[in-house]
Amino acid sequence: LAKTTQPISMDSYEGQEVNITCSHNNIATNDYITWYQQFPSQGPRFIIQGYKTKVTNEVASLFIPADRKSSTLSLPRVSLSDTAVYYCLVLLSGSARQLTFGSGTQLTVLP
Amino acid sequence: EAQVTQNPRYLITVTGKKLTVTCSQNMNHEYMSWYRQDPGLGLRQIYYSMNVEVTDKGDVPEGYKVSRKEKRNFPLILESPSPNQTSLYFCASSLAGPNYEQYFGPGTRLTVT
Repeated sequence: LAKTTQPISMDSYEGQEVNITCSHNNIATNDYITWYQQFPSQGPRFIIQGYKTKVTNEVASLFIPADRKSSTLSLPRVSLSDTAVYYCLVLLSGSARQLTFGSGTQLTVLP
Repeated sequence: EAQVTQNPRYLITVTGKKLTVTCSQNMNHEYMSWYRQDPGLGLRQIYYSMNVEVTDKGDVPEGYKVSRKEKRNFPLILESPSPNQTSLYFCASSLAGPNYEQYFGPGTRLTVT
C-alpha cells in the first residue's frame, strides 16, 4: 500500500517563502488533505486543510493539483518560530479508510 | 478551555505489567484516536473511535486495546506491555472524523523495560 512521501528536512532563512510538498498517489477520492505542525514535546497542531485547488488562511496556503496526487504547503515569510516538523495527513483509498501521516519534514529557519 | 488531556505524561514500567493511559476531551467531539510516534516512523494510528461504543483498528493495533464507553473518554490499554511498545503516545479528537481538525493531547512518553 503506497504511503505518503515528504522531504525529510528543509532549511530556510527568515523572511523567505517555504514550500513543502507531500506526495500521496493513493489518496481516497472524497477525502481532504490536512497539514499539521509539531514543536518538540508537544502534540501536532492543525495548520490548514483542503480538497482541491488552493486554500489560504492566516498562516499558510495549500495548493492541490487537479489529480490530487500531491499537495504543497506554502508558508509565507517564515520566522524563527516556524522551526518545527510539518506533517501531511491523508486518508488512503482502499479498505478501512487507512489514515496516514507523512513521515514529516523538519523545517529549520535560520536567522 | 477546550483541550485533550492525557495521563500519565510519563511512565516507566516493566514487561508484562498491564497499564492504562487515559484520554479525555471536553469539546463534545465524536471522533477520538490514538497514535504512537517513533523516530523515523512519524505518527501511526493505533485505534480510533467514530462514536461511543464504536471503535476500529488503525495501522498498528497489535498489543493494544481501547474502549469508548463515554463520549469524552478513550483510554488506551496495554494488557502485557513489551519493550517494542516504548514510544510517545498521542490522543486526539475531532468533531466528526479524521477529515475534521484534530486536537491533540500533550503526549505520554512510555518506557517499557
